[in-house]
Amino acid sequence: SAVISQKPSRDICQRGTSLTIQCQVDSQVTMMFWYRQQPGQSLTLIATANQGSEATYESGFVIDKFPISRPNLTFSTLTVSNMSPEDSSIYLCSVGERVGNTEAFFGQGTRLTVV
Amino acid sequence: QKEVEQDPGPLSVPEGAIVSLNCTYSNSAFQYFMWYRQYSRKGPELLMYTYSSGNKEDGRFTAQVDKSSKYISLFIRDSQPSDSATYLCATIRSGYSTLTFGKGTMLLVSP
Repeated sequence: SAVISQKPSRDICQRGTSLTIQCQVDSQVTMMFWYRQQPGQSLTLIATANQGSEATYESGFVIDKFPISRPNLTFSTLTVSNMSPEDSSIYLCSVGERVGNTEAFFGQGTRLTVV
Repeated sequence: QKEVEQDPGPLSVPEGAIVSLNCTYSNSAFQYFMWYRQYSRKGPELLMYTYSSGNKEDGRFTAQVDKSSKYISLFIRDSQPSDSATYLCATIRSGYSTLTFGKGTMLLVSP
């Protein structure tokens, strides 16, 4: 199993600002993912963070709003840009496999409130 | 129609009860089925996964998949207050890495 440290654990931000969330894994992993968990909604994949190349975004999510970095096999960041109250959510980092991702591990999440 | 449907609950049971948590899915291409447990203010943790149809048991937990009806179940025997959490079902297509989650069911086990 992988141990995932996510920072910050929570934050309250002003609308129009940006927040960068960090995800550190205790071992090298192939796949890193970023999810959003809104109240009453399914855990939704934002993007797959690719090491050495641009992230792969899911439908409804764009790089300008959620830029992602993956400088190495143990670290990734997600930035939530130009925030609005609708961005208030829990953001989760996950690691898993490229194929047959049946044992995905999650960080503890970042609880973001935009005021 | 959502790809994975799950009743959000809450489901309240007394300690010692048998709990049944369920999901339905619509995409017949899903091959792997997972159950995650999420405590308040924590990330989801994997409980167990099954491949295709059948049962899988791990201690007090049993996962069951019926592909003919596209129905996923998690049974918890002798439920404990420490089982109080949100339970998320998830599925994945063979050869892919993208998980599709249900909304989660909140379970409350009272002493």
